Amino acid sequence: EIVMTQSPATLSVSPGERATLSCRASQSVSSNLAWYQQKPGQAPRLLIYGASTRATAIPARFSGSGSGTEFTLTISSLQSEDLAVYYCQQYNNWPPITFGQGTRLEIK
Amino acid sequence: EVQLLESGGGLVQPGGSLRLSCAASGFSFSSYAMSWVRQAPGKGLEWVSTISGSGGTTYYADSVKGRFTISRDNSKNTLYLQMNSLRAEDTAVYYCAKDRLAARPSYVGDWGQGTLVTVSS
Repeated sequence: EIVMTQSPATLSVSPGERATLSCRASQSVSSNLAWYQQKPGQAPRLLIYGASTRATAIPARFSGSGSGTEFTLTISSLQSEDLAVYYCQQYNNWPPITFGQGTRLEIK
Repeated sequence: EVQLLESGGGLVQPGGSLRLSCAASGFSFSSYAMSWVRQAPGKGLEWVSTISGSGGTTYYADSVKGRFTISRDNSKNTLYLQMNSLRAEDTAVYYCAKDRLAARPSYVGDWGQGTLVTVSS
């Protein structure tokens, strides 16, 4: 089973600043990596797939990068509505599909 | 517009059974694999099971293998999860999820709003 580890657990960023979230896989997942955003009380929403492709209607301030075992989700200019928990997920080696434990993004 | 509407959640005693349903609309249901993903209270996301578009192939997490059964009725555009021998640790919100590929697990393009399953005496 591939273990996905996200860091930091909690990130506090001021509006307009850059937020950088990390995700590490215990073995290579190539570019088969997705990012999801989950706002309080809501279902998750797909942000990024294929490590760097934005999903439909996702604002350009969200970008993904990386391959192999190291991945990054960057929010270039944080907005108040970006308050959420962000999860990475690998879909290269399955079963099982595995998620990271999440990074909670707080607005300073 | 893709819509996924879960039903069937509720309170059940340990050792009991429950069947979840997910009514799908807005896309060609049989063309996509479908999954169940759960989230225990205050915890992260956990993949539970995936079924191929044809229904011929299924995949399970070890934590539910032998107790849960995923199925689909493509004539009714409906996904199911039969849950038997339920345990307290199965307590979670269960999300119906539309995968992006037809035959195998991948990433989730669309999510339902979830249905809460509580296992408690």
